[in-house]
Amino acid sequence: DIQMTQSPASLSAYVGDRVTITCRASQSINTYLNWYQQKPGKVPTLLIYGASTLQSGVPSRFSGGGSGTDFTLTISSLQPEDFATYYCQQTSITPGTFGQGTKLEIK
Amino acid sequence: QVQLQESGPGLVKPSQTLSLTCNVSGDSISSGFYYWSWIRQPAGKGLEWIGRIYSRGTTNYNPSLKSRVNISLDTSKNQFSLRLSSVTAADTAVYYCARDDSSGWFEYFQHWGQGTLVTVSS
Repeated sequence: DIQMTQSPASLSAYVGDRVTITCRASQSINTYLNWYQQKPGKVPTLLIYGASTLQSGVPSRFSGGGSGTDFTLTISSLQPEDFATYYCQQTSITPGTFGQGTKLEIK
Repeated sequence: QVQLQESGPGLVKPSQTLSLTCNVSGDSISSGFYYWSWIRQPAGKGLEWIGRIYSRGTTNYNPSLKSRVNISLDTSKNQFSLRLSSVTAADTAVYYCARDDSSGWFEYFQHWGQGTLVTVSS
């Protein structure tokens, strides 16, 4: 299996801050990388696929980048509704493994 | 708009078989365009992909669970099902069904069920 490692595991930030979450794959996955947001008690929602393509309806303050083994999810200006847990997922090789998650909390 | 809904027992005894069904509406699982997946999430933990089935019946399973998992289709009911045998407390989780969507070569989960909690306990 490909291992996905996210950092940091948790992050505290203020509304309006710019934050970046990192996801590293244990081997190259080209750009077969998705990002999901999950709020407590809710279903994960797709933010980005193909490492950098914003899913329809997702605010433009979210952006993704990277290729190969290193990827980033950036939120340019945090809004109150962005405080959640974020997961990366690789779909290069089955099983499509997820990162362990990054919990974004209000400072 | 496709909708998915999980159903099944919320409590399963250790060593028994967990059985869940995902009812699909707004799309035909036999249409041949999508894979249909099961994903689980233990409380406070991350997501784990369990496996998936294609409309023609082809399956892929997570190697860590492969010996205990079976996913099947019931096209007459527009449902797909998960069976996980020999469960232990470690199988306690929220179980989600989802449709594997794609854009070109990129696959992702855009449509999910709301999830169902299954607890393994005697």
